[in-house]
Amino acid sequence: GAGVSQTPSNKVTEKGKYVELRCDPISGHTALYWYRQSLGQGPEFLIYFQGTGAADDSGLPNDRFFAVRPEGSVSTLKIQRTERGDSAVYLCASSRDPSGANVLTFGAGSRLTVL
Amino acid sequence: AQSVTQLDSHVSVSEGTPVLLRCNYSSSYSPSLFWYVQHPNKGLQLLLKYTSAATLVKGINGFEAEFKKSETSFHLTKPSAHMSDAAEYFCVVSDQQNAGNMLTFGGGTRLMVKP
Repeated sequence: GAGVSQTPSNKVTEKGKYVELRCDPISGHTALYWYRQSLGQGPEFLIYFQGTGAADDSGLPNDRFFAVRPEGSVSTLKIQRTERGDSAVYLCASSRDPSGANVLTFGAGSRLTVL
Repeated sequence: AQSVTQLDSHVSVSEGTPVLLRCNYSSSYSPSLFWYVQHPNKGLQLLLKYTSAATLVKGINGFEAEFKKSETSFHLTKPSAHMSDAAEYFCVVSDQQNAGNMLTFGGGTRLMVKP
């Protein structure tokens, strides 16, 4: 597509529930990134995919967070047993490849609110 | 390791006056540096990037930034602010040795433009 698409744009859930957030990157972009932006802060790196594999998941805060990209295109970020502290905007970005010269294009984000 | 410090969390200017948003970085290797802008409820948009070519970088909407290695700074400037410039601005560093091109964001500077 023309840009990075993220769904849902807003998600409200209750503490303890399971949540999935979807990212559809720009067609042909092999690198895909997830970031989390808490209120009043800059985005923080969560995980990066090169193709289908997670090349670096060092930013995932704990084992309740998991992400997949089974066909090397669409990615899903999965959060189990949500907690109020998980409330944030989750941003997805893609780039043509992971080299430093390539710019990341960001989606508008999925705002997650855990009550 | 890489890090970014944005020295001002809020900057207020009058329309038509100059804008200065300050950024200092830390990087173990040759950095790539970026400025992104985030308008409310919209995705992050790239303003400009530095990747070891000319130290004075021109971006979109009249913004520019100068890379100063001796000062480890990458301040963003614009000669004359417009009302539409009001937004959150993020200074971002990527270590060029960083194979995955993961970005490290500063905490952001909220620019307010008064009529």
